[in-house]
Amino acid sequence: AQSVAQPEDQVNVAEGNPLTVKCTYSVSGNPYLFWYVQYPNRGLQFLLKYITGDNLVKGSYGFEAEFNKSQTSFHLKKPSALVSDSALYFCAVRDRGAGSYQLTFGKGTKLSVIP
Amino acid sequence: DADVTQTPRNRITKTGKRIMLECSQTKGHDRMYWYRQDPGLGLRLIYYSFDVKDINKGEISDGYSVSRQAQAKFSLSLESAIPNQTALYFCATSVAGASTDTQYFGPGTRLTVL
Repeated sequence: AQSVAQPEDQVNVAEGNPLTVKCTYSVSGNPYLFWYVQYPNRGLQFLLKYITGDNLVKGSYGFEAEFNKSQTSFHLKKPSALVSDSALYFCAVRDRGAGSYQLTFGKGTKLSVIP
Repeated sequence: DADVTQTPRNRITKTGKRIMLECSQTKGHDRMYWYRQDPGLGLRLIYYSFDVKDINKGEISDGYSVSRQAQAKFSLSLESAIPNQTALYFCATSVAGASTDTQYFGPGTRLTVL
């Protein structure tokens, strides 16, 4: 079985400060990992994904995520937060070896960037 | 994402009514999905379809049915709506054969069952 945990329901950060949104996962094999963002009254937008190779993945809007296999984590980061980054962020995982194409999503983390 | 459209965007209905939510896509993707989003629960998969003749149940299919009328259209039906089906419903698509299976989401349908 595959699962994702986002341990923080909400993260508050001051504008201009670095931000981190945490994600840990569990799979039986190797993972594909994704981050999505949801702005108010909008659908989910794809931010970035980890497939294989370089552990640091760069995505849209200046976001990046670091894959750490030993800690089974895939934290989302940005060096300098903007007020417009305020949104709901979802981490998702798919087990590469499981023969399933289903994504499992975390419960989401609400990011608030304070001016 | 304008390439994936959902109708209606908002719907209020009464317990026991039959409801259909529709999804259309112009991305040319083979795979389509229906999710529901509840506060604090994230997204949960209801049904998914890899092509017109391949439909599969997801995590929470009870009380729902789907129809894949064409490659570009995937409908979700609630045969007899109940209040705990009040949620935000999303359609998503992805490309067949792409191992990473990145999914692209529609804008959502907010359904309220009274």
